[in-house]
Amino acid sequence: DAGVIQSPRHEVTEMGQEVTLRCKPISGHNSLFWYRQTMMRGLELLIYFNNNVPIDDSGMPEDRFSAKMPNASFSTLKIQPSEPRDSAVYFCASKGTGGEKLFFGSGTQLSVL
Amino acid sequence: SQQGEEDPQALSIQEGENATMNCSYKTSINNLQWYRQNSGRGLVHLILIRSNEREKHSGRLRVTLDTSKKSSSLLITASRAADTASYFCATDDTGGFKTIFGAGTRLFVKA
Repeated sequence: DAGVIQSPRHEVTEMGQEVTLRCKPISGHNSLFWYRQTMMRGLELLIYFNNNVPIDDSGMPEDRFSAKMPNASFSTLKIQPSEPRDSAVYFCASKGTGGEKLFFGSGTQLSVL
Repeated sequence: SQQGEEDPQALSIQEGENATMNCSYKTSINNLQWYRQNSGRGLVHLILIRSNEREKHSGRLRVTLDTSKKSSSLLITASRAADTASYFCATDDTGGFKTIFGAGTRLFVKA
């Protein structure tokens, strides 16, 4: 199995631009999580899906952030408009039905100038 | 928001020594997990201990859990330079869906 696949690996954009991060979970996994990691705030859970349905988005910082999971094999996290304080590493993780451990992607390093 | 705190924030030891990291959490949990993160990489699961367990071993790893104190510790025995990484504890809420991470401990093992 290829594991959780995230793209792009690095993203550099200018303030005000729209940013879309992509994630392909492990095949057969039914839960998907988006985390953000910064030095100041550590690993924050932004949103998670179960069977493609958003269960808890209380960690999404602002309305500028949105996430979708149109099918079991794809999810996006969108920031519009982006701001410099959004600069962070964004991780996607998945786990299977009844599973307890998370499998992480390699992350997207986002820099908003 | 983060579930708990870890200490120490950073730990530097010599190869061959044991490393102990502690984690505290705030709410009732289903299980507690430890993950490792190498610089610039995603997190990798190390070990899981359920709320009804008190101790678990896996290779050079030993985890303890004290639910009355809402705390856990991770012991890495006979550390190696390759153990240099950040270590995070994570807890699943009693619903089993939501996994929240602590702030992490940065471990540096000197060869």
